[in-house]
Amino acid sequence: KNEVEQSPQNLTAQEGEFITINCSYSVGISALHWLQQHPGGGIVSLFMLSSGKKKHGRLIATINIQEKHSSLHITASHPRDSAVYICAASGGGADGLTFGKGTHLIIQP
Amino acid sequence: NAGVTQTPKFQVLKTGQSMTLQCAQDMNHNSMYWYRQDPGMGLRLIYYSASEGTTDKGEVPNGYNVSRLNKREFSLRLESAAPSQTSVYFCASSTALASGNSYEQYFGPGTRLTVT
Repeated sequence: KNEVEQSPQNLTAQEGEFITINCSYSVGISALHWLQQHPGGGIVSLFMLSSGKKKHGRLIATINIQEKHSSLHITASHPRDSAVYICAASGGGADGLTFGKGTHLIIQP
Repeated sequence: NAGVTQTPKFQVLKTGQSMTLQCAQDMNHNSMYWYRQDPGMGLRLIYYSASEGTTDKGEVPNGYNVSRLNKREFSLRLESAAPSQTSVYFCASSTALASGNSYEQYFGPGTRLTVT
């Protein structure tokens, strides 16, 4: 069973700061997912990656397969980035996801 | 496209009552999933279905049954609700096949269930 660990659990930062959230997993995976959950509960997929790096706007996700580690970065953070960020591992095919416990991010103006 | 829809949004049950949570997707996805989310535990997989007519247990299947009625719909049934099943339930779908590559999952809005 894959164990997915995220850090930090909680993060409060000032608007404009560079944010990094870390995720590690215990066994090999097919892909690593980053998800966002806003207050109110909806869950949205941000990235799915199996190697290297992906970028959408101010969000960047990287993965190091050898070290079993992924990071989510937010550049020029904004209060609207306040949310819970969740990483999840998938073993391939139709397998369900194994989730980390989430990072609660608050960006203060 | 509505994406993934779930009904109901909220439900309160008494211990021992039964109910079915409904999920439907209009993206022609092959795979569908039921997760529960509890404070401090994160999201956990209850059951999943790789195709119409097939279902498999996830991490926490006890106390639940599922039906993949057709390609669009995947329901979750609680036969005799217990307070430990108080949770937020999310349905998700993916274009993934039973084996092969991973694909992005799309989540429904969730059902908040309280069992008293």
